[in-house]
Amino acid sequence: GAVVSQHPSWVICKSGTSVKIECRSLDFQATTMFWYRQFPKQSLMLMATSNEGSKATYEQGVEKDKFLINHASLTLSTLTVTSAHPEDSSFYICSALKGARSNQPQHFGDGTRLSIL
Amino acid sequence: EDQVTQSPEALRLQEGESSSLNCSYTVSGLRGLFWYRQDPGKGPEFLFTLYSAGEEKEKERLKATLTKKESFLHITAPKPEDSATYLCAVDANDYKLSFGAGTTVTVRA
Repeated sequence: GAVVSQHPSWVICKSGTSVKIECRSLDFQATTMFWYRQFPKQSLMLMATSNEGSKATYEQGVEKDKFLINHASLTLSTLTVTSAHPEDSSFYICSALKGARSNQPQHFGDGTRLSIL
Repeated sequence: EDQVTQSPEALRLQEGESSSLNCSYTVSGLRGLFWYRQDPGKGPEFLFTLYSAGEEKEKERLKATLTKKESFLHITAPKPEDSATYLCAVDANDYKLSFGAGTTVTVRA
């Protein structure tokens, strides 16, 4: 199998709070993980690529100081939304590539619903 | 810029009524085309990868095909449990996926 676990699945917090989301590959090593954002009834938009042991690469328009990514091990990447505001409310989903880069599919977590009051 | 367009946006089927979903793509160089299924409030679940024109993959009631410009996902004799949003994505650059907006399929018993 290729199981990706994301935690928490749901979080509500006040404006100005920082929120950390974890993405773990449970049964394989993932050199590369990805973070997506999905608004209601819209598709997934890639935010950043997370590489184990190196800095993440961000897509155009995504603030790297706002969305901090750490990929400290081959099974864990974290996304921290710093000083979150209501406009950051969204569904955040991570994915992981099994093994070294190849044409393998990305395996996705079940997402984190973030609501900022 | 890579573009992925899915049609229709929504599809309502009677149980057993076969149909097809379309995914049209414009990319500079296709590394792979992926089909995923997404249930409400969940992450996408991998279905198929297609790499070259003419390739076909099957899984239970689903069959995916690929040409140089589009891919089809055929659903044969669907059941209510096939209700979901089906997402198409292309990998054209460094393993990054560009997703279409999806087709939401509802199968009525």
